[in-house]
Amino acid sequence: EDKVVQSPLSLVVHEGDTVTLNCSYEVTNFRSLLWYKQEKKAPTFLFMLTSSGIEKKSGRLSSILDKKELFSILNITATQTGDSAVYLCAVPHNAGGTSYGKLTFGQGTILTVHP
Amino acid sequence: DTGVSQDPRHKITKRGQNVTFRCDPISEHNRLYWYRQTLGQGPEFLTYFQNEAQLEKSRLLSDRFSAERPKGSFSTLEIQRTEQGDSAMYLCASSPHRGPMNTEAFFGQGTRLTVV
Repeated sequence: EDKVVQSPLSLVVHEGDTVTLNCSYEVTNFRSLLWYKQEKKAPTFLFMLTSSGIEKKSGRLSSILDKKELFSILNITATQTGDSAVYLCAVPHNAGGTSYGKLTFGQGTILTVHP
Repeated sequence: DTGVSQDPRHKITKRGQNVTFRCDPISEHNRLYWYRQTLGQGPEFLTYFQNEAQLEKSRLLSDRFSAERPKGSFSTLEIQRTEQGDSAMYLCASSPHRGPMNTEAFFGQGTRLTVV
């Protein structure tokens, strides 16, 4: 059974701080890892990572995957109050060489950014 | 709005009542998923449709739960004889079929169910 563990479970910072969120996984036939942001409603997609060592970047957010050590990190620099959310890490199920999108999620990291 | 749409957004029901939720996926997405999320947890997979075929059901989906996608477009999730433990956010997601390549799932706003 696929397993995803995120840490820390919660984090409180001040605006301008840099944060690093961690995600470790155990999955059969790994294909990709996804990061979502959830603000009290629908999770919204941030990144999909498939290759080890290649950083994905979007503004102040960046993420990287280490397939050897089975983990990913999500970095947020110069945090803003609008970054306050739950950040979810997920891996798609991969059956028989295809992946149909069933996701196993971690518990999430609750990030609170104070002004 | 061309995203995933769920209705209702909130539902309060008495224990023992039946409830039904609806999900309209993104047009032409042939894959549709239902997830359940409780406080402090990530979403948990419930069931998956490819077109109208229900291809997988989680063991979390007891006999009181049933999902349909009759024409391969919208889907409904029904919970019969609701229990307080059913209180959760029910999320629907859809994704296109792209062969063996992965693609992200797009989520709806969810239906928050409270059983009193």
